[in-house]
Amino acid sequence: AQRVTQPEKLLSVFKGAPVELKCNYSYSGSPELFWYVQYSRQRLQLLLRHISRESIKGFTADLNKGETSFHLKKPFAQEEDSAMYYCAPLRDNFNKFYFGSGTKLNVKP
Amino acid sequence: DTGVSQDPRHKITKRGQNVTFRCDPISEHNRLYWYRQTLGQGPEFLTYFQNEAQLEKSRLLSDRFSAERPKGSFSTLEIQRTEQGDSAMYLCASSRSNSGNTIYFGEGSWLTVV
Repeated sequence: AQRVTQPEKLLSVFKGAPVELKCNYSYSGSPELFWYVQYSRQRLQLLLRHISRESIKGFTADLNKGETSFHLKKPFAQEEDSAMYYCAPLRDNFNKFYFGSGTKLNVKP
Repeated sequence: DTGVSQDPRHKITKRGQNVTFRCDPISEHNRLYWYRQTLGQGPEFLTYFQNEAQLEKSRLLSDRFSAERPKGSFSTLEIQRTEQGDSAMYLCASSRSNSGNTIYFGEGSWLTVV
């Protein structure tokens, strides 16, 4: 069974500091992983996916198959990055996801 | 706003009562999903429709839960004989086949069973 672990419930950093939100997964087959974000009083939305290898709002995430990790990183955190972040492996070809328990990022001024 | 809409946004009900939630997906999205989220946890998959066909149900979905999507458009999730453990956020999401695995969530329906 696929599992995803986000070890930090809460991560607090100061504005301008680097941030890394950890995600580890156990997966059979070739994983496809995503990060979802939920800003205060907004709906859950896609942030980025590993296959795109893109940077969204300054965030990047690299899939490390050796370490089975998909950590989300940003070199300089901004206050508007404060939100809940969920790591989510894709379960199958029908867009069903597993979600981690989430990490709350708090960026302090 | 033409996103996924859910109704009601909040529902407080007494234990043992039945409740029904409605989800209107984005127009032309043929896939519809229900998730449940409790405090401190990420969303958990409940069930999935492709058009009007319910193709998968999670073991989390006990026989007190039933979901329908009669015309392949909106969907309803009914919980019969509610229990306090049913208190959660019920999230609906939709997507379109061949859309690159992007799904769009609604704002959710909060259920509190007292």
